[in-house]
Amino acid sequence: QQQVKQSPQSLIVQKGGISIINCAYENTAFDYFPWYQQFPGKGPALLIAIRPDVSEKKEGRFTISFNKSAKQFSLHIMDSQPGDSATYFCAATIGGSSYKLIFGSGTRLLVRP
Amino acid sequence: GAGVSQTPSNKVTEKGKYVELRCDPISGHTALYWYRQSLGQGPEFLIYFQGTGAADDSGLPNDRFFAVRPEGSVSTLKIQRTERGDSAVYLCASSLTGGSNEKLFFGSGTQLSVL
Repeated sequence: QQQVKQSPQSLIVQKGGISIINCAYENTAFDYFPWYQQFPGKGPALLIAIRPDVSEKKEGRFTISFNKSAKQFSLHIMDSQPGDSATYFCAATIGGSSYKLIFGSGTRLLVRP
Repeated sequence: GAGVSQTPSNKVTEKGKYVELRCDPISGHTALYWYRQSLGQGPEFLIYFQGTGAADDSGLPNDRFFAVRPEGSVSTLKIQRTERGDSAVYLCASSLTGGSNEKLFFGSGTQLSVL
């Protein structure tokens, strides 16, 4: 119940394409869903986050879509660029707690020029 | 400082040895967190400090792991009698107050290798 399942494990997209990463969860107590971006040798950096009272949140080329009934959420990267090549993690937490994040297993994205 | 600083960046030790990993959070951040990231996995929560006190240490895997933050800034994660399974990247993060949905700032981590 504490898991967040992430797919795909890896993704290759052409420059300018749309990258889509999906996550699913079981624990309905989760109420905060951030996405993190991690480059090799660096720590994760917060990209965008959503709360379950909103179905979609957009920040620049990054959009989170949230389906509360299906207990799924996804990250869409529009106009993908080679600089977006990184590992992406979805996460979830309970009670607005910022600290006890439950992370997915990650998606390694490669954007080809 | 400009960001969360972790030292050393790499640590190689032998099975059974004791290691200390240091984290220097962003100046003024009262909340500090330790996570562990195994190869090919997402980070896993270890411990959360609010000021000098450990507010939640439920993620520490066993009593070989211990962390301190004596003056409410720098923190040290201590691992006794290291095992090969302890090999991972140990990440430290900080945030301003530890409040709801607050942004965590992660350091680049310490890669620990136990031979």
